[in-house]
Amino acid sequence: AQSVSQHNHHVILSEAASLELGCNYSYGGTVNLFWYVQYPGQHLQLLLKYFSGDPLVKGIKGFEAEFIKSKFSFNLRKPSVQWSDTAEYFCAVKSGGGADGLTFGKGTHLIIQP
Amino acid sequence: EAGVAQSPRYKIIEKRQSVAFWCNPISGHATLYWYQQILGQGPKLLIQFQNNGVVDDSQLPKDRFSAERLKGVDSTLKIQPAKLEDSAVYLCASSDDRVGEKLFFGSGTQLSVL
Repeated sequence: AQSVSQHNHHVILSEAASLELGCNYSYGGTVNLFWYVQYPGQHLQLLLKYFSGDPLVKGIKGFEAEFIKSKFSFNLRKPSVQWSDTAEYFCAVKSGGGADGLTFGKGTHLIIQP
Repeated sequence: EAGVAQSPRYKIIEKRQSVAFWCNPISGHATLYWYQQILGQGPKLLIQFQNNGVVDDSQLPKDRFSAERLKGVDSTLKIQPAKLEDSAVYLCASSDDRVGEKLFFGSGTQLSVL
């Protein structure tokens, strides 16, 4: 069975700081990887995804993530965060090409202080 | 485009009562998912439909939970009888592809079982 581990449950940063949220998964086969974000009062939405090709993927709002197969990791990064990035961030995995649903991590609550 | 619609937004019931949630996916989306999100955890897949057929219900507690998607459009999720541990947000999501490249989530139904 797949599982996803997000190392940081709560992160507090100041505006303009750099961000890296850790995500590790356990699954031996081909994987599709995702980061979803939930802004306060809003529904979950896709931030970025990796299916194949370039392991460095770029998403909305300046976010990017790097798939490192040897480390089973898919960390989320942003060079300079803004107050509006305050949200809950979820890493998720599914078997590559399969029709199964996503397995989510527990989430990281990010607070950006102005 | 209209998003995924869910109702009710909130529901409070006593244990052993029954409850039903409704979801209307984005028009044309063949794949529909129900997720359970307990406070402090990531969403957990309960059931996945492709049109009106079940793709995966391996994590659905079938002794008390049931779901249907008649006519392959909207869906209902029912709990009967409810337990205290069913308190959670129930999220519906839909996708226009079978492999779930991008899921669109509704706002969820927050269930409190007293």
